[in-house]
Amino acid sequence: QITLKESGPTLVKPTQTLTLTCTFSGFSFSTSGVAVGWIRQPPGKALEWLGLIYGDGDKRYSPSLKSRLTITKDTSKDQVVLTMANMDPVDTATYYCAHRGVINGDAFDIWGQGTMVTVSS
Amino acid sequence: QSVLTQPPSASGTPGQRVTISCSGSTSNIGTNNVYWYQQLPGTAPKLLIYRNNQRPSGVPDRFSGSKSGTSASLAISGLRSEDEADYYCSAWDDSLSDWVFGGGTKLTVL
Repeated sequence: QITLKESGPTLVKPTQTLTLTCTFSGFSFSTSGVAVGWIRQPPGKALEWLGLIYGDGDKRYSPSLKSRLTITKDTSKDQVVLTMANMDPVDTATYYCAHRGVINGDAFDIWGQGTMVTVSS
Repeated sequence: QSVLTQPPSASGTPGQRVTISCSGSTSNIGTNNVYWYQQLPGTAPKLLIYRNNQRPSGVPDRFSGSKSGTSASLAISGLRSEDEADYYCSAWDDSLSDWVFGGGTKLTVL
């Protein structure tokens, strides 16, 4: 059974850097085509893809946020870390990590419960 | 403004069939697979349809997806009260090099 869980601060100040950790289980990052992605959702608004990382370390970022994002992995801990620099109140959102694999056609098929992050001074 | 366009709301009565549309362009839906997600109130999105019309294991066959040109649709037959949720379409956009989502459709079961 694949599970993912996000963790990190619930409140950050403007201009600070956000660091979120996604701890997963039930799958191997070494499997070809497997990736972990990050998606966020501002309150009452639509989903927005942030980026993803493959097991081989290859990364993809949303062009609109690429300059602020870094995604890394720690395979020994089964974790993926998202850092977002220069946080602004508009970045207030629920942040989700999700598994992406080949079984369900490269979809983000299993999602974490999400973690709400508020950006405020 | 979302790259994929969905109606903000839809509704139906129990047992009815409802359809939710998703309109895109040649760089996303016209070229790539469409995915549909269901988000029940206060929960994380759940994959409903992948590769335009495929259902993951465990998703009832009341849910079906289709694609034609630069548009896609999600159909829900035999509507149930537990289907009341937000529904999102998604696709990769070759021009933007970005996963794009629709603005979401809130389905109300009357």
